[in-house]
Amino acid sequence: EAGVTQFPSHSVIEKGQTVTLRCDPISGHDNLYWYRRVMGKEIKFLLHFVKESKQDESGMPNNRFLAERTGGTYSTLKVQPAELEDSGVYFCASSLMVRKGETQYFGPGTRLLVL
Amino acid sequence: QKEVEQDPGPLSVPEGAIVSLNCTYSNSAFQYFMWYRQYSRKGPELLMYTYSSGNKEDGRFTAQVDKSSKYISLFIRDSQPSDSATYLCAMKAGSYQLTFGKGTKLSVIP
Repeated sequence: EAGVTQFPSHSVIEKGQTVTLRCDPISGHDNLYWYRRVMGKEIKFLLHFVKESKQDESGMPNNRFLAERTGGTYSTLKVQPAELEDSGVYFCASSLMVRKGETQYFGPGTRLLVL
Repeated sequence: QKEVEQDPGPLSVPEGAIVSLNCTYSNSAFQYFMWYRQYSRKGPELLMYTYSSGNKEDGRFTAQVDKSSKYISLFIRDSQPSDSATYLCAMKAGSYQLTFGKGTKLSVIP
């Protein structure tokens, strides 16, 4: 069974440009999460999808970030326009269900550098 | 005060040593406690999951939770070079949103 995949693995863009990150969860996982780790900080929650619905986007830093999950399969996270402080590693995770024992399986992350 | 405190290290130990990794937390609402292992350029991988005070053992790994002191630990016995990684503690109050520590970078020297 394939794990969580993310594309691209790396992205280097200039300030003001747009970048779109993609996450493919494990097949059959209705729950999809985005997390971010900026340099020197902890991994922080961004948002949670259940199928195509946003359940919680309390961690999204501002309105330059837009996450979508059309059809309840893969998800995209768009940053427009990118700022220097958006640099970091963006992780996607998925889980089968939301309950106390559920395991979130993480992808390898997308390393974003904004110059 | 950060919700979860974890010494980032780095921590270097000889092969075969017992490793002790720790986190403290301030949010009494945290009920579920996890340890993730992250190899370089990879995503976090769940190692241990506990939700009650006490010890949980899995092979060479033991997770310990003390809710009264808001302190969790991960012990690695007979450490191996393949255990070299960053170890992240994570916690959650409800069902999904994980709160992570900064991670401790561990090197096991052959």
